[in-house]
Amino acid sequence: GENVEQHPSTLSVQEGDSAVIKCTYSDSASNYFPWYKQELGKRPQLIIDIRSNVGEKKDQRIAVTLNKTAKHFSLHITETQPEDSAVYFCAASLRGSARQLTFGSGTQLTVLP
Amino acid sequence: DTEVTQTPKHLVMGMTNKKSLKCEQHMGHRAMYWYKQKAKKPPELMFVYSYEKLSINESVPSRFSPECPNSSLLNLHLHALQPEDSALYLCASSQDRTENYNSPLHFGNGTRLTVT
Repeated sequence: GENVEQHPSTLSVQEGDSAVIKCTYSDSASNYFPWYKQELGKRPQLIIDIRSNVGEKKDQRIAVTLNKTAKHFSLHITETQPEDSAVYFCAASLRGSARQLTFGSGTQLTVLP
Repeated sequence: DTEVTQTPKHLVMGMTNKKSLKCEQHMGHRAMYWYKQKAKKPPELMFVYSYEKLSINESVPSRFSPECPNSSLLNLHLHALQPEDSALYLCASSQDRTENYNSPLHFGNGTRLTVT
């Protein structure tokens, strides 16, 4: 089955700095890569996703890059704000099916004011 | 606001109790899921219903019993739980029309379950 590794497990940045979270996956059949943000006591929420036919996707301060050859993808958050503090989970979907979604272990991001 | 509604928000139950968790979505999604989540860990898949039929059971103990009365509703019946079953139980849904349709999960706010 698919295996997704996520690093780092914790990340602290100063407000206004950038944050980068990296994930690797094992199965080349994975072709859909969502990122979820989970604030304390709340549900995971999709913040951005990327499909395997695209190398990069941006949405305001958030971007995701995908390197299919190396089987890794990354989340980039620029101009971080305190409200970005949360646990972020990457995931890889085998053949694009939500039924075959494997999560990474999560990254606790803390943005220091 | 969430498009997947879960009740109750919190539940405390003894090891001999029987209780049920409920989930509802009105997005027309045909796949519904139960996940279990421990603090600061990723969600762990328990069950998947596709078109109201159980399609995945991730070796979950029989003290958890899912039910999908119709395409909008999903229940999780609990009986004789253990303290280690205390966790956040998340319901999710997705369109999932075909295997290669990139369909994100939409999560509910979860039920915080404590087993005493």
